[in-house]
Amino acid sequence: QQQVKQSPQSLIVQKGGISIINCAYENTAFDYFPWYQQFPGKGPALLIAIRPDVSEKKEGRFTISFNKSAKQFSLHIMDSQPGDSATYFCAASMGSSNTGKLIFGQGTTLQVKP
Amino acid sequence: SQTIHQWPATLVQPVGSPLSLECTVEGTSNPNLYWYRQAAGRGLQLLFYSVGIGQISSEVPQNLSASRPQDRQFILSSKKLLLSDSGFYLCAWSPQGQPQHFGDGTRLSIL
Repeated sequence: QQQVKQSPQSLIVQKGGISIINCAYENTAFDYFPWYQQFPGKGPALLIAIRPDVSEKKEGRFTISFNKSAKQFSLHIMDSQPGDSATYFCAASMGSSNTGKLIFGQGTTLQVKP
Repeated sequence: SQTIHQWPATLVQPVGSPLSLECTVEGTSNPNLYWYRQAAGRGLQLLFYSVGIGQISSEVPQNLSASRPQDRQFILSSKKLLLSDSGFYLCAWSPQGQPQHFGDGTRLSIL
């Protein structure tokens, strides 16, 4: 019940295309859902996050879509660029908890071909 | 602004040797602090977290320990390293709650 399942494991997209990564969770107590971007040899960096009171959040070319009833959320990268090639992690947390513990998905390695 | 520092960036240690990795946060007070391990090509495994000085919670029983001697300092230690301790170790901080911000990690190789 504490898992976050992420798919696909790897993704290849042509430059200019749309990259879509999906995550699913079971614990309905989760109320904070961030996405992290990680480049090789670096720590993950927070990309965008959403809370379940909204169904979509957009920041530049990155959009989170959230489906509370299905317990799913996804990251859409519009106009994908070679510089977007990285590993992406979704995560979930009970934001009301002061521990701030995150449950991470297994990651998606994105390759954007020029 | 807040910054997080981890060192060393890379470390090569023999089996059975001790380990000490340090993480410090600047520009904030009373942060939550976290240690993660990431195996090659895999996800993030939470090892320890701390919500205050001297308060350490362990997520996975193993050959490692953590300490928080000061408000913004988090240390990961081992008395005797195993081959299985190899990996990419990441420290993170957050205000009370979210979001978490990661350091650039320590690549640990055990020979």
